[in-house]
Amino acid sequence: SQKIEQNSEALNIQEGKTATLTCNYTNYSPAYLQWYRQDPGRGPVFLLLIRENEKEKRKERLKVTFDTTLKQSLFHITASQPADSATYLCALVTGGFKTIFGAGTRLFVKA
Amino acid sequence: KAGVTQTPRYLIKTRGQQVTLSCSPISGHRSVSWYQQTPGQGLQFLFEYFSETQRNKGNFPGRFSGRQFSNSRSEMNVSTLELGDSALYLCASSPSTGDRSGYTFGSGTRLTVV
Repeated sequence: SQKIEQNSEALNIQEGKTATLTCNYTNYSPAYLQWYRQDPGRGPVFLLLIRENEKEKRKERLKVTFDTTLKQSLFHITASQPADSATYLCALVTGGFKTIFGAGTRLFVKA
Repeated sequence: KAGVTQTPRYLIKTRGQQVTLSCSPISGHRSVSWYQQTPGQGLQFLFEYFSETQRNKGNFPGRFSGRQFSNSRSEMNVSTLELGDSALYLCASSPSTGDRSGYTFGSGTRLTVV
């Protein structure tokens, strides 16, 4: 069956460290992959997109990698800050333009 | 420019009733998608509309339906509400189907079925 898996356990890290979140998928052939941030009581906010033929994408303190062989994307936040605390969702966009979201990983950054 | 507007923000309904939720996308965006979010299941895709036509549909029962108007505003309807329909319903807009710039989400409608 098709699955998108994100670590359901919350990630706790110290301010200034790099946070790394994982998104694994099975039985999908995504055209591209997106990452979103969601704060409590709000809708997700789009952060980054990476295409299937791209290995890495950066935006300010954010970096996304995409390994279609491992069927995995990693999302990194460098020099993390308490304001980065939120839930981060990965989303696969299939060739049929259907967007499927993972359940998200909660990140807590301690000062 | 104004963001995606969802109304109402909160709703309490009784089992068996029906409900209609509304979404106004960003001006110029023609694609509207609907998602159901629950703590256990995450974001589940309901359907996508583009130019008043349903382009994609998720695995939800026929009690869930939607439509899109000529001004791109969209509504979703849930009939014969069940307790399990309690969730945050999110609307997302994008310029077109499969747009690679990512969705812009509204703040959602929190539906509680009692």
